[in-house]
Amino acid sequence: DAGVIQSPRHEVTEMGQEVTLRCKPISGHNSLFWYRQTMMRGLELLIYFNNNVPIDDSGMPEDRFSAKMPNASFSTLKIQPSEPRDSAVYFCASSEGGPRSPLHFGNGTRLTVT
Amino acid sequence: SQQGEEDPQALSIQEGENATMNCSYKTSINNLQWYRQNSGRGLVHLILIRSNEREKHSGRLRVTLDTSKKSSSLLITASRAADTASYFCATDARSGYALNFGKGTSLLVTP
Repeated sequence: DAGVIQSPRHEVTEMGQEVTLRCKPISGHNSLFWYRQTMMRGLELLIYFNNNVPIDDSGMPEDRFSAKMPNASFSTLKIQPSEPRDSAVYFCASSEGGPRSPLHFGNGTRLTVT
Repeated sequence: SQQGEEDPQALSIQEGENATMNCSYKTSINNLQWYRQNSGRGLVHLILIRSNEREKHSGRLRVTLDTSKKSSSLLITASRAADTASYFCATDARSGYALNFGKGTSLLVTP
């Protein structure tokens, strides 16, 4: 079991550029979550997919953020255009049974927008 | 929205001592989970306790849950330097989908 795989591990980009973060969940898990972690706000849920369908995207900050899950083994989080305040560590997590089951986190993508 | 809040924010102890971290939350829950995060890594699930359980053990970990006080505690016994990490509680409000995390307790165990 390779665990949840995220790429890239680090991303440095300039304000206004498009950023795409990628996630491969654990095989067989039907739920996928994107979280953002900052010192100020801690861990914030951005979006939750169940069986590839977005269930709760109320945490997506604004229209600049979008997430897709085209199949059970891949998800993307896109920021376009990026802004300095988007700098954070973005985590993908998967679980077998939604938020009431243990979540398995990837090691995150550290995004820096200059 | 954050529901769980850990206390203390930071804790420093010596190897062999016990470490106790507390978590308070605001609304009714189905279960409460504790996670550990090492520096630069993702969170790792430690233990899940259901709302109808009062205490749970896993190795050197002991978790208690008091739903009347809306609080939980995580006890790590005989701590080791490798236990140095941040510890988070997470709750799932019965009315929502999200697993809400607190800001964590930073634990430092010195040899």
